[in-house]
Amino acid sequence: AQSVSQHNHHVILSEAASLELGCNYSYGGTVNLFWYVQYPGQHLQLLLKYFSGDPLVKGIKGFEAEFIKSKFSFNLRKPSVQWSDTAEYFCAPTGGAGNMLTFGGGTRLMVKP
Amino acid sequence: DSGVTQTPKHLITATGQRVTLRCSPRSGDLSVYWYQQSLDQGLQFLIQYYNGEERAKGNILERFSAQQFPDLHSELNLSSLELGDSALYFCASSVVGGGPNEQFFGPGTRLTVL
Repeated sequence: AQSVSQHNHHVILSEAASLELGCNYSYGGTVNLFWYVQYPGQHLQLLLKYFSGDPLVKGIKGFEAEFIKSKFSFNLRKPSVQWSDTAEYFCAPTGGAGNMLTFGGGTRLMVKP
Repeated sequence: DSGVTQTPKHLITATGQRVTLRCSPRSGDLSVYWYQQSLDQGLQFLIQYYNGEERAKGNILERFSAQQFPDLHSELNLSSLELGDSALYFCASSVVGGGPNEQFFGPGTRLTVL
């Protein structure tokens, strides 16, 4: 079974700081990888996804992630965060017959203005 | 707006009761997933339906059941409710049932069991 580890549970940054959130997964086969964001009181929205090809993927709102197969990692990055990035971020690989998402524990990001 | 709708938004009920949560997928999506988000368990997959058939099962309790109807909407039935069932229940939909595909999430139903 797939398992996911997000290393940072709470992150506090000032605006314009750079962000990197770590994500490691366990499944060694073919996986599809996703980062979702949940703004306060809202539903999950897709930030970016990796299926195959270029391991550096770009998503919405200036986010990007790098898939490193040898490290089973899919870290999320943003060069300069904004106050509006305050949210909870979930890494979620898929696997299995139905391709269900296995969510990490989430990282709560607070950006101070 | 993802195009996935869920009703009701909020539900407050008592222990031992039974409730039904409803989800309508995006137009054209055949697959529906149910997830539970709670403080102690985080976000976890419950069950998936594809074109009316159960496709995959996750950490779903025996007291919970689901179905997908011919018009592709889905219902999640929770019975003999316990305090620990209080959570946010999300539905997601995707075009296909497997392979590389994106899931779109609904706004969720917040269940409070008193």
